Amino acid sequence: EIVLTQSPGTLSLSPGERATLSCRAGQRVSSDYLAWYQQKPGQPPRLVIYGTSSRATGIPDRFSGSGSGTDFTLTISRLEPEDFAVYFCQQYGSSPLFAFGPGTKVEIK
Amino acid sequence: QVQLQESGPGLVKPSETLSLTCVVSGFSINQGYYWAWIRQPPGGGLEWFGSIYHSGGTYHNPSLMSRVSISVDTSKNQFSLKLSSVTAADTAVYYCARQASGGIAGLDYWGQGVLVTVSS
Repeated sequence: EIVLTQSPGTLSLSPGERATLSCRAGQRVSSDYLAWYQQKPGQPPRLVIYGTSSRATGIPDRFSGSGSGTDFTLTISRLEPEDFAVYFCQQYGSSPLFAFGPGTKVEIK
Repeated sequence: QVQLQESGPGLVKPSETLSLTCVVSGFSINQGYYWAWIRQPPGGGLEWFGSIYHSGGTYHNPSLMSRVSISVDTSKNQFSLKLSSVTAADTAVYYCARQASGGIAGLDYWGQGVLVTVSS
């Protein structure tokens, strides 16, 4: 069973700063099928990045994804007030077919 | 605009079966795509249950497979989840979602979620 870990657990930053979130898999992620989701309180997750580095529809270009194999990163170049949320990474392809990381909370410093 | 809406009882007794339905609007299930169920305990992470295709083909999370049944009703453009022998650990917000490109492009549309509490 593939396990995803995310770091840090909480990231305290100010608007305008750069956020770097990490996701590490216990084994290689199939064909780099790694996605990131943003979740705000009381809302469902929103797809941000898929296929490691492709932005989902409507996602601004301050969001970018990178990585390969077992180590992946979500970068938000300049934080806007609406970016403060919890971010989950998710892999597709290993068992279980969809596995999620525990999340990183990006909070206002 | 693709929209998904979960429905079902908000309270289920221990040992009973939880039943939820997801109605899809703005998109025909018959057009393809896999459709998934995911849950999130209060304050917790996300757990995938399983997915179903319009033809009825399914795949499941091995850790839950013995208790999970997923079905589709294309005439009503909806799919359903049944989880048997529930316990308090099954208390969670349950989401339905669409798998983009079979799953390789993530889960691109989600319902708002329904909170299900397991309690006597």
